[in-house]
Amino acid sequence: QQQVKQSPQSLIVQKGGISIINCAYENTAFDYFPWYQQFPGKGPALLIAIRPDVSEKKEGRFTISFNKSAKQFSLHIMDSQPGDSATYFCAARFPGTYKYIFGTGTRLKVLA
Amino acid sequence: DARVTQTPRHKVTEMGQEVTMRCQPILGHNTVFWYRQTMMQGLELLAYFRNRAPLDDSGMPKDRFSAEMPDATLATLKIQPSEPRDSAVYFCASGLTSGSNYGYTFGSGTRLTVV
Repeated sequence: QQQVKQSPQSLIVQKGGISIINCAYENTAFDYFPWYQQFPGKGPALLIAIRPDVSEKKEGRFTISFNKSAKQFSLHIMDSQPGDSATYFCAARFPGTYKYIFGTGTRLKVLA
Repeated sequence: DARVTQTPRHKVTEMGQEVTMRCQPILGHNTVFWYRQTMMQGLELLAYFRNRAPLDDSGMPKDRFSAEMPDATLATLKIQPSEPRDSAVYFCASGLTSGSNYGYTFGSGTRLTVV
């Protein structure tokens, strides 16, 4: 019940295409859902985040779609660029804490 | 840009040796986390501190791992004795938590290899 399941494990997208990464959770008490981007040799960096009372949040080419009833949320990268090639992690926060549980990661490769 | 500084970046040590990893959080951040990243387990939270007080270390093997914050500018993670299964990348992250939702800033990690 404490897991966050992330898919796909890897993704290849053509430049200009849309990249979609999905996460599903079971604990309905999770209260904050960030996405992190990680480049090789670097730590994860916060990309965008959403609260469960919001269905969508957009920042530039990055959009989170949140479906509370389905207990799913997804990251959409519009007009994907080779510079977006990285590993993406979804996460969920345990309520009343500062603890997050992370998904297993999606390795995205955007072809030039 | 403010950043979290971790040292060393790489460490190779022999089984049984003590390993100390250090982290300098971003000035003003009041919450510090230690994560471990492996291919098999992904990102695992080991411990975290708020205002230098340990809040949760349930993810940390207590018999060999210890985490401390001697002052607001330094967090340490020690492994004694180290074992090959401890080989991983260890990340420190810091954030400002005050009831609102904030993401954390991760350091670049310490890649530990225990042989």
